[in-house]
Amino acid sequence: LAKTTQPISMDSYEGQEVNITCSHNNIATNDYITWYQQFPSQGPRFIIQGYKTKVTNEVASLFIPADRKSSTLSLPRVSLSDTAVYYCLVPNAGGTSYGKLTFGQGTILTVHP
Amino acid sequence: EPEVTQTPSHQVTQMGQEVILRCVPISNHLYFYWYRQILGQKVEFLVSFYNNEISEKSEIFDDQFSVERPDGSNFTLKIRSTKLEDSAMYFCASSERSGLAGYNEQFFGPGTRLTVL
Repeated sequence: LAKTTQPISMDSYEGQEVNITCSHNNIATNDYITWYQQFPSQGPRFIIQGYKTKVTNEVASLFIPADRKSSTLSLPRVSLSDTAVYYCLVPNAGGTSYGKLTFGQGTILTVHP
Repeated sequence: EPEVTQTPSHQVTQMGQEVILRCVPISNHLYFYWYRQILGQKVEFLVSFYNNEISEKSEIFDDQFSVERPDGSNFTLKIRSTKLEDSAMYFCASSERSGLAGYNEQFFGPGTRLTVL
């Protein structure tokens, strides 16, 4: 199982772009990189997933360099409601995993007015 | 937008009692999961369920835990004899596809907060 490392916390201000980087040095060839968001007292919510280069959706962008040993979640123009914990996950792919998600401590993002 | 629902939102029980936590996954999903989160700690995987049987379970999911899909819509987690350390938020999740091909989008419910006294 690929281990991930991400900052414990980050602070930002409304309207700024926020980039959260996750390192996953021993990512396997078949692993996808997935990001989830969790608000207090709520279940995690899928944000974005990618394998290589860049993926963008209506919420965020995910940048993955060629060596795939890290990834960066980019949140454009954050608002107060983006204050949450953000998790980078690199689950097993193929093999015996049936979708088990392994969450780390995540990055606590606090957006200030 | 379809969503996973869970009942009750909060359950208080005495140590040693049995509890059943209920979930209604998204209707066309085939893969179901339970996770828990002790206050201030990480979200932890408990069990995955597909085709009416357990696919994978964690060390936490011991003989005191069981899961069931009693009908076409509900998915339940039973704890036979609760302990103080079972106090946590329990999340149900479902997904359309398995994680085998790297598909990792799971839809989580709002959780049931279990308090064991």
